Amino acid sequence: DAKTTQPNSMESNEEEPVHLPCNHSTISGTDYIHWYRQLPSQGPEYVIHGLTSNVNNRMASLAIAEDRKSSTLILHRATLRDAAVYYCILSGNNDMRFGAGTRLTVKP
Amino acid sequence: DVKVTQSSRYLVKRTGEKVFLECVQDMDHENMFWYRQDPGLGLRLIYFSYDVKMKEKGDIPEGYSVSREKKERFSLILESASTNQTSMYLCASSPWGTGFTYEQYFGPGTRLTVT
Repeated sequence: DAKTTQPNSMESNEEEPVHLPCNHSTISGTDYIHWYRQLPSQGPEYVIHGLTSNVNNRMASLAIAEDRKSSTLILHRATLRDAAVYYCILSGNNDMRFGAGTRLTVKP
Repeated sequence: DVKVTQSSRYLVKRTGEKVFLECVQDMDHENMFWYRQDPGLGLRLIYFSYDVKMKEKGDIPEGYSVSREKKERFSLILESASTNQTSMYLCASSPWGTGFTYEQYFGPGTRLTVT
């Protein structure tokens, strides 16, 4: 099964953009790329997902490499409420594979 | 807003006990999922269900069973709890046809400790 690799932790300053990278070099052609985040003592929360093209929504942007072997979640202006663990996930027809995630710290 | 609720936030059980974890969603979603979350391992899928009375094994079904008698309710059962089942258990749901492709809505989790 294809897996994702993310940095363990990242830091950002408040109101600055954040780029969270994810490598998935063994991704298959039908796997979707998802991002979820998890705040302390809460279940994961959907952020964004895509297949091949870059995606934008009210929370974030997802930039997918042309070969799909990597992707980047972009938070355009980090706030203190964005401090969380961010998971880059691949999903197939019958499974969803979570990695260990990146712990994002936002400094005021 | 979609709401997924889990019966308990914290639960302590003894080894060998039968444990029921309940999950209810209020958005008429067809798909429901049970995961466990452990430090360093991320979330791992235990079981999922595409419809009432249907169930599919996930990555780590051993030691667990599930029940889905009503569309809105998905129960995870530990037939004989063991200490290695101490974990955070998360339930999720998603609309029909999306399964693992699109957004899943998660509950707050149940932290189970087996002593």
